[in-house]
Amino acid sequence: DQQVKQNSPSLSVQEGRISILNCDYTNSMFDYFLWYKKYPAEGPTFLISISSIKDKNEDGRFTVFLNKSAKHLSLHIVPSQPGDSAVYFCAASAREDSNYQLIWGAGTKLIIKP
Amino acid sequence: GAVVSQHPSRVICKSGTSVKIECRSLDFQATTMFWYRQFPKQSLMLMATSNEGSKATYEQGVEKDKFLINHASLTLSTLTVTSAHPEDSSFYICSARGTSGGASSHEQYFGPGTRLTVT
Repeated sequence: DQQVKQNSPSLSVQEGRISILNCDYTNSMFDYFLWYKKYPAEGPTFLISISSIKDKNEDGRFTVFLNKSAKHLSLHIVPSQPGDSAVYFCAASAREDSNYQLIWGAGTKLIIKP
Repeated sequence: GAVVSQHPSRVICKSGTSVKIECRSLDFQATTMFWYRQFPKQSLMLMATSNEGSKATYEQGVEKDKFLINHASLTLSTLTVTSAHPEDSSFYICSARGTSGGASSHEQYFGPGTRLTVT
């Protein structure tokens, strides 16, 4: 059973517009959520994170929103740029895991059209 | 801050030989290191978790005698693929988490990955 779900395998957005990537989770013990960006044949790059005590975290063009009651989080990228084209992974960790092991979604491929 | 290096970036080996992949945290002390494998068009698959000075914890289905992990220091972990076979060909990625330097305890910082091809 997938504990972290990214239901959209791909998303296409016009350059300059807003990209919204969604992620749902099932485990109520998750208390920290992260977004990573990955290019082919490279390791993931950490983008932004949010603790369960917050509902929003912003860093430049990237904003993550957390809705705990819906067990849903989203990553907003605005404005979208061609270099944002990549696969985006949502990940979560649970407070009882001392290693902070990450549970990963399947990823969403974002394509920014010029 | 929080840079992780991985070496080699690409390796080709013959079936039956062993290959060692190194993962280093360059500017922080890695309390925990993780080894992942990624198949084409799939998500990351966690293979094992290792804490410095302790034996690695392997995920279900991962052969610990085939994928030997050593985490001898707070900045270095190695993955050795023993008696490699073509089905071991994959993209192997390490990550590290720590609390010193530029690292946050919750976040994992990834190496650039190693493409292993077994012929």
